[in-house]
This record gives sequence, structure tokens and C-alpha cells, in this order.
Amino acid sequence: DAGVIQSPRHEVTEMGQEVTLRCKPISGHDYLFWYRQTMMRGLELLIYFNNNVPIDDSGMPEDRFSAKMPNASFSTLKIQPSEPRDSAVYFCASSSSQGIDTLHFGNGTRLTVT
Amino acid sequence: AQSVTQLGSHVSVSEGALVLLRCNYSSSVPPYLFWYVQYPNQGLQLLLKYTTGATLVKGINGFEAEFKKSETSFHLTKPSAHMSDAAEYFCAVSLFNQAGTALIFGKGTTLSVSS
Repeated sequence: DAGVIQSPRHEVTEMGQEVTLRCKPISGHDYLFWYRQTMMRGLELLIYFNNNVPIDDSGMPEDRFSAKMPNASFSTLKIQPSEPRDSAVYFCASSSSQGIDTLHFGNGTRLTVT
Repeated sequence: AQSVTQLGSHVSVSEGALVLLRCNYSSSVPPYLFWYVQYPNQGLQLLLKYTTGATLVKGINGFEAEFKKSETSFHLTKPSAHMSDAAEYFCAVSLFNQAGTALIFGKGTTLSVSS
């Protein structure tokens, strides 16, 4: 059974450019989460969805960040315009609300903004 | 609001020694607590979790943790460290005290194991 799939694994872009990170959750999972990991702030919850609907986006840093989940098998996190301080590893995770379950993480996208 | 504090950003032990990684939580209701491990260039993997019931929880790779309500702690232990245990460890609390929903993570503890 495939796990959570994120693409790309690495992204290097210049300040001001648009960046789109992609995530495919585990089939059948109805929760999807976006986290950001930095040395300074650790793992921060950015936003999460339940049944494709955003439930809490209070962790999104600012209006430059947006996330969508057009269907149960795909989500994107977009940064426009990107800034050097956005450099981090972005993780997507999914889980199921059926019974007691755990978060399953992808391998992350390492974003570098120069 | 739920929060987690991990004491010590870096712990070093010798191979075969006891591993103790400390975690304290703050929660307005009985918490669901988790330990995750992250190996380099990988996502997080669940080590163990406490939801209800027995307060001593056993996880993978010989790790265990004990939920102590009176101390608001959920420390992670392993009797004998192995070189392969070197990784970053995260304690987490469930945002809504429901498994499967958003987790709030501590800042992590890097475990180094020397031979």
C-alpha cells in the first residue's frame, strides 16, 4: 500500500517566484495536514482538511500561502510570491477518522528560496 | 490550549545505555499523546501512542513511554540504546484529543548514540 506521496522532493527557486507543492494522501484517508519544519520553529501545523474541506488554516503564515484540496486524492500548497524565509521542509500527512488511527507522513519537500 | 515541551534538544548516550527522552504536556482535557521518530531526509514515523487505558505504552524498536497525569509527563525510554536509534524524536499531543486529527509537536530531541 503506497504511503503519502509528496512532490517534488526538492525545490530551489528565486525570491518572488511562485512555488507549488503537491501531496497525494493514502487512499481512504479523510484528513490531510500540511506541516512546515524549520530549525528555529520546529514542526508547525499550517492547515488541515477533513473530507476536502479546510478546517483550520490559522497556522498559515500569511496571505502568500494558500492550500487547496480539489479531491480526496490530491492537495496543493502554494506560495506566491516566495521569500527566503519560506525555506523549510514542508510535510504532508494524512489520517483516517475511522477508529483510532495515526498520522502518516510523506517524505517532505525541501524548499530553498534564494 | 494543548502544548508540548521537550526537555533537552540534544541527548547523547553510549550504545547499550538507557535512553530517556523527556516530554511534558499541557492540556485542558485528558490528552492523546504520541512519540514520533524522524530519520534523516524522511518523514515522521509513529513510535507509540497513548489514548486511554494502560498508562505504560510499548512501541516499536523496544521503546516505551509512561503517561503520568500527576506529573503531566510522557517520557520515552529504551533500556539499551542501539546505534540505529540515532534520530530525531518528537513528542506530540492531539489538538482535539482525538486520534487521527491534527497534532501539536514539541521542538524535537536529537538522540546521538556513540559506540
